[in-house]
Amino acid sequence: ILNVEQSPQSLHVQEGDSTNFTCSFPSSNFYALHWYRWETAKSPEALFVMTLNGDEKKKGRISATLNTKEGYSYLYIKGSQPEDSATYLCAPNFGNEKLTFGTGTRLTIIP
Amino acid sequence: KAGVTQTPRYLIKTRGQQVTLSCSPISGHRSVSWYQQTPGQGLQFLFEYFSETQRNKGNFPGRFSGRQFSNSRSEMNVSTLELGDSALYLCASSFTLDRENSPLHFGNGTRLTVT
Repeated sequence: ILNVEQSPQSLHVQEGDSTNFTCSFPSSNFYALHWYRWETAKSPEALFVMTLNGDEKKKGRISATLNTKEGYSYLYIKGSQPEDSATYLCAPNFGNEKLTFGTGTRLTIIP
Repeated sequence: KAGVTQTPRYLIKTRGQQVTLSCSPISGHRSVSWYQQTPGQGLQFLFEYFSETQRNKGNFPGRFSGRQFSNSRSEMNVSTLELGDSALYLCASSFTLDRENSPLHFGNGTRLTVT
């Protein structure tokens, strides 16, 4: 069983502040890492697909970095807004086509 | 382009019954995967289909089964329902199985309650 850990489990952030959270995974046989955002009452939505060590992706105020040697990825949100409130899921892939999801970081933005 | 459609949205069943859930992927997507989410758990992988063939299977008992049709629509079946099967079941489609280039597109899920 592959162990994918996300920390923290939950986070409350003041509107306008920046924040980040972590996804840790086994580094051997790594192939790709997906980040998804899951808002309440909606379906999970893909944010990034990351594939190379040192790979960095950016989408507006959200960015992600990847370290495949040590097996972690950071997701950063700059200047948090209420619409950023969601659960953020990471899911590494180890070359067997299937994604293994972490339990997520639940982010709440306080207006 | 229509998104991933799951039916029904809600289901209430009794222990021992069986249930069939349906998923229609985005047009052109040939891969469909199924996940179970229970409180406190991440998305647990059930199985994945591509071009009517099961490609991967998660660690679930044989009561959980699925199939994919020639039009890429997929169904999953759970027989002899147990209370612990109460969960949100999510279906996701992708264009290919290449996880470097093909993210998942999720449906809204089917909420199954077993009483």
